[in-house]
Amino acid sequence: DSGVTQTPKHLITATGQRVTLRCSPRSGDLSVYWYQQSLDQGLQFLIHYYNGEERAKGNILERFSAQQFPDLHSELNLSSLELGDSALYFCASSTGQPGETQYFGPGTRLLVL
Amino acid sequence: GEDVEQSLFLSVREGDSSVINCTYTDSSSTYLYWYKQEPGAGLQLLTYIFSNMDMKQDQRLTVLLNKKDKHLSLRIADTQTGDSAIYFCADNQAGTALIFGKGTTLSVSS
Repeated sequence: DSGVTQTPKHLITATGQRVTLRCSPRSGDLSVYWYQQSLDQGLQFLIHYYNGEERAKGNILERFSAQQFPDLHSELNLSSLELGDSALYFCASSTGQPGETQYFGPGTRLLVL
Repeated sequence: GEDVEQSLFLSVREGDSSVINCTYTDSSSTYLYWYKQEPGAGLQLLTYIFSNMDMKQDQRLTVLLNKKDKHLSLRIADTQTGDSAIYFCADNQAGTALIFGKGTTLSVSS
């Protein structure tokens, strides 16, 4: 167990809908990262938050957004969902020091029908 | 942009050694990681190596880094059926995002 929790574990929804994925980092970690794992794109970095502030953006679509709250948990919001958004979404956390090891949560499996 | 490449499949017999290879392009990488993903599961950190090291050993795992050739390898000694999984090499880009390879599927037969 990495200490990173993600909810829900599975999510099934329809095209055009909006969903929110939640992540709680390890105790004491200030950084939260979101990654998407799909069969065609592999594991891709989406966005990084540190202590409530956005620090870096990767291949994140404009339909997707994230935030990190004062208690350091983070939410990833996916809207106007398309079939191609079906994937495994991982959250990872670290202390926030550059190069520090990232510990991954179990992921949320999203299926868009 | 930065890239991490891995071979896609490796098949070994139980008890043999497995060697999974990875190449990366970012010469400023400070840390390189190996993660393991079992079916239906998340990513488990196996080990990592700092860029000023050539080798790191951790029980059955040995990581070799050739910084000149930007080549990283993971050797698993005495491979067991429980080692069957997907292994990802990852590069820490600019101290923030991890850039992952496509993953190497290790199949261990008894």
